[in-house]
Amino acid sequence: RKEVEQDPGPFNVPEGATVAFNCTYSNSASQSFFWYRQDCRKEPKLLMSVYSSGNEDGRFTAQLNRASQYISLLIRDSKLSDSATYLCVVNQAGTALIFGKGTTLSVSS
Amino acid sequence: DAGVIQSPRHEVTEMGQEVTLRCKPISGHNSLFWYRQTMMRGLELLIYFNNNVPIDDSGMPEDRFSAKMPNASFSTLKIQPSEPRDSAVYFCASSPVIGGYNYGYTFGSGTRLTVV
Repeated sequence: RKEVEQDPGPFNVPEGATVAFNCTYSNSASQSFFWYRQDCRKEPKLLMSVYSSGNEDGRFTAQLNRASQYISLLIRDSKLSDSATYLCVVNQAGTALIFGKGTTLSVSS
Repeated sequence: DAGVIQSPRHEVTEMGQEVTLRCKPISGHNSLFWYRQTMMRGLELLIYFNNNVPIDDSGMPEDRFSAKMPNASFSTLKIQPSEPRDSAVYFCASSPVIGGYNYGYTFGSGTRLTVV
């Protein structure tokens, strides 16, 4: 079983749509969680950290369910500029970040 | 802040040649990571350093790969001899790690390696 699993997509949505990505992780000792964004032929960039209580940053909402070992990212009012690959990332203390293979989002006008 | 600086941006080499990739982390970041990205396997950790000491090199594919961090501001990843299956994008990232917790990476722009 892979450590971090994501639906690769692609998710094709119109502008203004709400879209949700899910991610599961296998190691219950994971302690830190993140979403990264990667544009085509670019490096991954931190989008947001994910906290146990859930957190929001503008149009983006991240949720964590430790019991189910499940992380989600919700994007409201999608923009063309949201088109990218979204990487789910987990970490145990003292180890390096483990990346999922990513979910591709394409927002069209 | 100049960010994480990697060189070269692109490298095309012939099978059997030695390849050296370079990375300068963000000043003050005490951890440095080398990842490799391919379409098939995604982002894979090769090795990471904490305070210039290699902590986990279990992801290094084989003896052809070696990495060094002689000081806090410089690291190299060397492949000798290179093979076509080494073709990938190699990313370096740095991060502050405090109390064992990782506060998120900053990646360099990557080196796109093609071995023909």
